[in-house]
Amino acid sequence: DAGITQSPRHKVTETGTPVTLRCHQTENHRYMYWYRQDPGHGLRLIHYSYGVKDTDKGEVSDGYSVSRSKTEDFLLTLESATSSQTSVYFCAISPGTGLTGELFFGEGSRLTVL
Amino acid sequence: SQQGEEDPQALSIQEGENATMNCSYKTSINNLQWYRQNSGRGLVHLILIRSNEREKHSGRLRVTLDTSKKSSSLLITASRAADTASYFCATGDQGAQKLVFGQGTRLTINP
Repeated sequence: DAGITQSPRHKVTETGTPVTLRCHQTENHRYMYWYRQDPGHGLRLIHYSYGVKDTDKGEVSDGYSVSRSKTEDFLLTLESATSSQTSVYFCAISPGTGLTGELFFGEGSRLTVL
Repeated sequence: SQQGEEDPQALSIQEGENATMNCSYKTSINNLQWYRQNSGRGLVHLILIRSNEREKHSGRLRVTLDTSKKSSSLLITASRAADTASYFCATGDQGAQKLVFGQGTRLTINP
């Protein structure tokens, strides 16, 4: 299994509070991604990173920010959580050189916003 | 927007039978990938087929790609209870340079 660790694995929070999810990899891969998975929508890309301090938006980036200060860590922050951000969040890494290569996923972080 | 559309949405078969899932897409692709997701777990990459390939095998998995019909199929032979999972296709969009996931087929293998 690819060395990807997500934390926390489960979190319940209240509307308006900030939340940070962490993704840690031990593979030294260049590309890291944050996806959310919701019934009826499948997996949707939130943000991705192609190197330290190099990030870009995905298709559902509103309300989310990311940071990557080290190769191994990619943080996803919800500045002010809303109920629509209740979801399962997956981090993924890619050993490839582009954005269409195979992905290796973490186990997910289930977030509930009350 | 979703590009890969899996069919059927759910499939239930007996252990030992073959399972076939289909994926259709709309735009030009670099590759097409299949992933498996067990309940409550992350997605696991199964196989990648490039746009210039027509068929690929990996163990009990067989993937075909027909770029003229913009479709792919995943065949799992001699199914086992452990194959019970959701299966997703993901298309590497050539123009947008991104990976787009479908909504998955839920496969249940009955003992």
